[in-house]
Amino acid sequence: TQLLEQSPQFLSIQEGENLTVYCNSSSVFSSLQWYRQEPGEGPVLLVTVVTGGEVKKLKRLTFQFGDARKDSSLHITAAQPGDTGLYLCAGGPVSYNTDKLIFGTGTRLQVFP
Amino acid sequence: DTAVSQTPKYLVTQMGNDKSIKCEQNLGHDTMYWYKQDSKKFLKIMFSYNNKELIINETVPNRFSPKSPDKAHLNLHINSLELGDSAVYFCASSQVNRGLGGYTFGSGTRLTVV
Repeated sequence: TQLLEQSPQFLSIQEGENLTVYCNSSSVFSSLQWYRQEPGEGPVLLVTVVTGGEVKKLKRLTFQFGDARKDSSLHITAAQPGDTGLYLCAGGPVSYNTDKLIFGTGTRLQVFP
Repeated sequence: DTAVSQTPKYLVTQMGNDKSIKCEQNLGHDTMYWYKQDSKKFLKIMFSYNNKELIINETVPNRFSPKSPDKAHLNLHINSLELGDSAVYFCASSQVNRGLGGYTFGSGTRLTVV
């Protein structure tokens, strides 16, 4: 069974702090996606990384795919209250004719003003 | 226009009842999914349809039956509802592209069985 473990599970920080969320697995994935989910809404795709060692930046967010394509990290610089939400990593695809994703266990981030 | 829309947003029902959740996407995607999110926010796939064909059927009780009348619609019917079915159910769609396309999710249906 493919599993994606995220750490930490919960994170409460003050505005302006930096943070890193980790997503780890013993399985190799062909791609790794990160989503953010706000209360009462569905997850929204932030980024997809495909190549081992790849780094992508989205404003204050930096995403990295591990060299072996088994893990990923999300780093947020100078966090803001608007960054609050549930962050989910997702690995996939796991079958040839569908983009089935395996979702991580989630990290709940709260940024206080 | 909402890309992936689910109805209803909230559903409260008694044990033993039968209920349906509807999902429609206007993105022209060829694949649609049903995911269940439990109280710990863990998302687990239930079903996937590609161009109206059932592709993925995870270990889900056969009280759950998906139906896809066309590639823009994927409905979920649940028979004999149980307390443990309480969760948020998400519909999603994607254009199959070796994992590069990403999912577009609906806003979820919060099902409460009492």
